[in-house]
Amino acid sequence: EVQFLESGGGLVEPGGSLRISCAASGFTFSGSAMAWVRQAPGKGLEWVSSTSSIGGNKYYADSVTGRFTMSRDNSKNTVYLEMNSLRVEDTATYYCAKAYHDIIVLPDLYWGQGIPVTVSS
Amino acid sequence: QPALTQPRSVSGSPGQAVTISCTGSSDDVGGYKWVSWFRQHPGKAPQLLIYDVFKRTSDVPDRFFGSKSGNTASLTISGLQADDEADYYCCSYRGTNVGSHVVVFGGGTKVTVL
Repeated sequence: EVQFLESGGGLVEPGGSLRISCAASGFTFSGSAMAWVRQAPGKGLEWVSSTSSIGGNKYYADSVTGRFTMSRDNSKNTVYLEMNSLRVEDTATYYCAKAYHDIIVLPDLYWGQGIPVTVSS
Repeated sequence: QPALTQPRSVSGSPGQAVTISCTGSSDDVGGYKWVSWFRQHPGKAPQLLIYDVFKRTSDVPDRFFGSKSGNTASLTISGLQADDEADYYCCSYRGTNVGSHVVVFGGGTKVTVL
């Protein structure tokens, strides 16, 4: 059974930083690209970032480039999203998901339950 | 502004068919076979229904049909059921002129079963 253990969400002030984590089990994590997708309250899905299976290649949406960093630790089956210079508009539920392929980094079948992040003063 | 354009809402009676369109460009939907569709019930994580334009995941019934023509992908749901009432999102790979690889989503379509 595929499971995700997500952590690190919460309330942070504008300009602050936060790191969220997603530990996966039930599939071959080290052979899988991974993605982060977010959803602002009452809004649609927005792709944030993806990383290849080994972590050598990372891709970002324009809205987070230069502020967010995605990383992974295959020894812990965990992906991370380090978020800096946070803005009110970064408030969202952040989902980790297995991605389709190292190059075609669309999220596919397996998704976590979501990590709420609120940026507010 | 979402990169892919979907209608905000569609509706149909039980047993009827509805079609959701997803319009992009030659840089995404029109240029590649990597188009997916997700369904999301309130308060839940998205669920993959369709990938590679038309392939269904193993537990998705054949009432769900994906297709593509030019820069527009479509999801048709036939034999509409109460549980089909949800938000539906299209998603596509987009290649960039700087050699990067990104993902774009549509704004989502709310399907209402009358």
